[in-house]
Amino acid sequence: AQSVTQPDIHITVSEGASLELRCNYSYGATPYLFWYVQSPGQGLQLLLKYFSGDTLVQGIKGFEAEFKRSQSSFNLRKPSVHWSDAAEYFCAVKRANFGNEKLTFGTGTRLTIIP
Amino acid sequence: GAVVSQHPSRVICKSGTSVKIECRSLDFQATTMFWYRQFPKQSLMLMATSNEGSKATYEQGVEKDKFLINHASLTLSTLTVTSAHPEDSSFYICSAREGRGGTEAFFGQGTRLTVV
Repeated sequence: AQSVTQPDIHITVSEGASLELRCNYSYGATPYLFWYVQSPGQGLQLLLKYFSGDTLVQGIKGFEAEFKRSQSSFNLRKPSVHWSDAAEYFCAVKRANFGNEKLTFGTGTRLTIIP
Repeated sequence: GAVVSQHPSRVICKSGTSVKIECRSLDFQATTMFWYRQFPKQSLMLMATSNEGSKATYEQGVEKDKFLINHASLTLSTLTVTSAHPEDSSFYICSAREGRGGTEAFFGQGTRLTVV
């Protein structure tokens, strides 16, 4: 069965500093990979996704992620964080070409931004 | 992007009563909808997958008689928590996937259920 690991439960970053959130997956097939952001009391918003092609994907709000098959990783990055980026971030995976299959989520990383 | 609307955003109910939560896809047809439960500071736990016009598929450990899911149309799915108890208090989130074989799921805003 597939699994997703987000090793960092909580990360604190200064405003303007760079950010990297880690995501590793365990999967026996080609995965579709996603990063979502959740503000307190809200649903999830898709930041970016990887299906195929260029392994460096650009998302909304200045985020990007790089798919590294050899490391089974899909880390999320942002060169300079803003106070509004404080939120919970979830990495998720599903099997490619299986439309009705569920997403498997990581446990999330809570991002705190300090002035 | 596609919009999924979830209603209500917050609800408080008395123990023993039932509560219905609606999930609507506003600008697309959602063949498949998913219902999640999220405990404080935890990840999303999939409760069930519903396909339009058929019975929902529940995840292991989820009581189907307690969490009734109906997906009667391509734009609406409902989750009814029956005979609610305080331990059912949680944040419930729905998501919807467009068409058949759609790869991306769009999420509702979530519903905070408090059972008193």
